[in-house]
Amino acid sequence: AQSVSQHNHHVILSEAASLELGCNYSYGGTVNLFWYVQYPGQHLQLLLKYFSGDPLVKGIKGFEAEFIKSKFSFNLRKPSVQWSDTAEYFCAVIPMDSNYQLIWGAGTKLIIKP
Amino acid sequence: NAGVTQTPKFRVLKTGQSMTLLCAQDMNHEYMYWYRQDPGMGLRLIHYSVGEGTTAKGEVPDGYNVSRLKKQNFLLGLESAAPSQTSVYFCASSRPTSYAYNEQFFGPGTRLTVL
Repeated sequence: AQSVSQHNHHVILSEAASLELGCNYSYGGTVNLFWYVQYPGQHLQLLLKYFSGDPLVKGIKGFEAEFIKSKFSFNLRKPSVQWSDTAEYFCAVIPMDSNYQLIWGAGTKLIIKP
Repeated sequence: NAGVTQTPKFRVLKTGQSMTLLCAQDMNHEYMYWYRQDPGMGLRLIHYSVGEGTTAKGEVPDGYNVSRLKKQNFLLGLESAAPSQTSVYFCASSRPTSYAYNEQFFGPGTRLTVL
């Protein structure tokens, strides 16, 4: 079955530290990829997405992600985190034959210490 | 535009009670979805709809029913609530122009507790 794995369930960092959250998926064909963020008490918002083209995708609030097809990965990065980045981050994938259904990772809770 | 709205925001039920969650979107989206979010499990798709009058089962449909009588509304019903249905429920909508372009927009969620 198709799945999405987020390697870290909880990450704690200090402000100004660099961030990388892992996301791997299990599907051999064409995919589209998303990172969503859920700030405390809020609904999910799209952070960035990859459909095609440049595998390095830039999103809002200084986040970026790199699609590495050979590794089935779409890791999220930010060079210097802020306290306001405290949130839960979800990776999601649409396989080409999924009838538009997203397959979600379990999420990573990120806590930034001021 | 309000985007995707959900009613109610919070609800407490007793086991065996029924209720309906309402989702409304004003973006003229064809697709609508109901998810549940549980700690450590991410989002799981309950039911979805690809257009007015159509519904389909997702990953965890048991114990839920849905209806899409109007394009802008998607109702999620619990006929006989169980404690296992305690969760946060999110509605989403999208207008995929192809498999590639399916960005989903989410509502604020409904926190349901079943005692």
